[in-house]
Amino acid sequence: DQQVKQNSPSLSVQEGRISILNCDYTNSMFDYFLWYKKYPAEGPTFLISISSIKDKNEDGRFTVFLNKSAKHLSLHIVPSQPGDSAVYFCAAPFSGGYQKVTFGTGTKLQVIP
Amino acid sequence: DTEVTQTPKHLVMGMTNKKSLKCEQHMGHRAMYWYKQKAKKPPELMFVYSYEKLSINESVPSRFSPECPNSSLLNLHLHALQPEDSALYLCASSPLDRGINSPLHFGNGTRLTVT
Repeated sequence: DQQVKQNSPSLSVQEGRISILNCDYTNSMFDYFLWYKKYPAEGPTFLISISSIKDKNEDGRFTVFLNKSAKHLSLHIVPSQPGDSAVYFCAAPFSGGYQKVTFGTGTKLQVIP
Repeated sequence: DTEVTQTPKHLVMGMTNKKSLKCEQHMGHRAMYWYKQKAKKPPELMFVYSYEKLSINESVPSRFSPECPNSSLLNLHLHALQPEDSALYLCASSPLDRGINSPLHFGNGTRLTVT
């Protein structure tokens, strides 16, 4: 049962434009969400997070939006750069310790120069 | 450079072999994890160690045996694996004293091929 879903397996964006990556979840008990970026032959690296008490969190070019009523979050990258080309995973830890983290299926972003 | 170091980077083993994957971190994190990732799939949690004690086992077959000798080291012992166990095995660590604000720090993984 995939409790965190990313319905777009891939996305292509021109350099300098906005990239929007989407994530949906089914478990209303999730109260914290993270985005990880993964380059080939490397492990995932943490990018940005958001608590369920917020609806937006911004860090430089990266902004995550959370819509709890829709159980939806999105990652915006502005402006997109070729170095942003990677696979992006959204993730959510289960409450009660937060060590059990479930990952979405991933979206492969390609930023075209 | 990743702060979580995994060795070896690549491993090919037969179904009758015994091998071990190793992971090391020096960030003082007291939670360590093993994840398995198949091609075009998300990482799947296998085991979690908290304060050097096994706290989560996601119903992983016994041919995978984790070990946490100390707070910096995590091993995954492999025995009698099947070809379908071929995957990227990722180690991760996180602090345990920051509540939900504890992102995982991943190593670069061991690419395992079972022949």
